[in-house]
Amino acid sequence: DAGVTQSPTHLIKTRGQQVTLRCSPKSGHDTVSWYQQALGQGPQFIFQYYEEEERQRGNFPDRFSGHQFPNYSSELNVNALLLGDSALYLCASSLPWTGDMNTEAFFGQGTRLTVV
Amino acid sequence: AQTVTQSQPEMSVQEAETVTLSCTYDTSESDYYLFWYKQPPSRQMILVIRQEAYKQQNATENRFSVNFQKAAKSFSLKISDSQLGDAAMYFCAYLTGANSKLTFGKGITLSVRP
Repeated sequence: DAGVTQSPTHLIKTRGQQVTLRCSPKSGHDTVSWYQQALGQGPQFIFQYYEEEERQRGNFPDRFSGHQFPNYSSELNVNALLLGDSALYLCASSLPWTGDMNTEAFFGQGTRLTVV
Repeated sequence: AQTVTQSQPEMSVQEAETVTLSCTYDTSESDYYLFWYKQPPSRQMILVIRQEAYKQQNATENRFSVNFQKAAKSFSLKISDSQLGDAAMYFCAYLTGANSKLTFGKGITLSVRP
């Protein structure tokens, strides 16, 4: 089992550009969540996808959008990049919440995005 | 809104000694879950230990144990017999069934002295 895989591992973009980050969930998982982790901070929840729909969203602007495909993989898109978007973007996969601890989230190694 | 506070930015421990990392949280929910995650330089978040709020017994996982004080909204992590491989950032996190998103603290950097 490859676990959660993210691509690319590192990315450098210019301010104003658009970027797409990708995530393949752990085998058997159908829920994908994205987090932004600024340097020296804890991860902040961006949004969560389940059954190809955005199920919930954190306090991020509409420049951040996503998609989930029928195979449960997911993309995070960021438009009109700002310098402040520079961060580690983490993807986590899980089973749908059923109220027990079998819905543990597994994280990928993240994509380090640098906006210059 | 739920918040998680880790007030210690850094801690250091001697190899083989015991260290306690502190965490407090704020919530109006009665049913929730608390976690400690480890993030080594490889960047991947690794679950260390978890605690269900409805369970009074403190969780333990080998050298890792928690002190869960629900009334005080405190959730500390104790690492016994510290090893060099324990050096990492540690994050306290909170989750409720209502929204199933993790809310993280700012983290603490733990260094282990040989």
